[in-house]
Amino acid sequence: DAGITQSPRYKITETGRQVTLMCHQTWSHSYMFWYRQDLGHGLRLIYYSAAADITDKGEVPDGYVVSRSKTENFPLTLESATRSQTSVYFCASSDSGKQETQYFGPGTRLLVL
Amino acid sequence: KQEVTQIPAALSVPEGENLVLNCSFTDSAIYNLQWFRQDPGKGLTSLLLIQSSQREQTSGRLNASLDKSSGRSTLYIAASQPGDSATYLCAVGGFNKFYFGSGTKLNVKP
Repeated sequence: DAGITQSPRYKITETGRQVTLMCHQTWSHSYMFWYRQDLGHGLRLIYYSAAADITDKGEVPDGYVVSRSKTENFPLTLESATRSQTSVYFCASSDSGKQETQYFGPGTRLLVL
Repeated sequence: KQEVTQIPAALSVPEGENLVLNCSFTDSAIYNLQWFRQDPGKGLTSLLLIQSSQREQTSGRLNASLDKSSGRSTLYIAASQPGDSATYLCAVGGFNKFYFGSGTKLNVKP
């Protein structure tokens, strides 16, 4: 399927466990982004990547790790999940660092017990 | 740090009304501003993108304006319909980053 996909769509995990959220895009966009959306905070940038093997921190990177070995994939790992990481996570992609239109995936709802 | 504010947080209007959603930002050094729509449980869909050199963009019943000097943008929706009910977010584009407002939840009553 063309576009940007995320998996899993829903995830329940326990405090301390490692969790990886997957993001895949088919447009060969250079830029990819991870956001979290929480009530009262809007969307906040966790990490972004300008190209394969190039990543940088966003506004709220603590507790998260990213990698980008292939242009089309941008996984987000919670190394040791905490309750404060319960959120909805969105992946997005864009063709340009000058912020052309961002295209969003459907989101992953994560619950940390 | 860029701060983006959207007022009101929620808005309920009868079908057919014209309405305006507001977005303000604190740092005028932006690349662009984008308006998104988000339906419950869904991702974000881009509606309009205004580059920093532009004053407005139009798409169908939607018109977005940008005034960088005052740090404001408005999204005008003409002849609102129940299908317009959603949360509308504005996002201000800096270099390699977007800063989002918390959104305005719109309910258009039949």
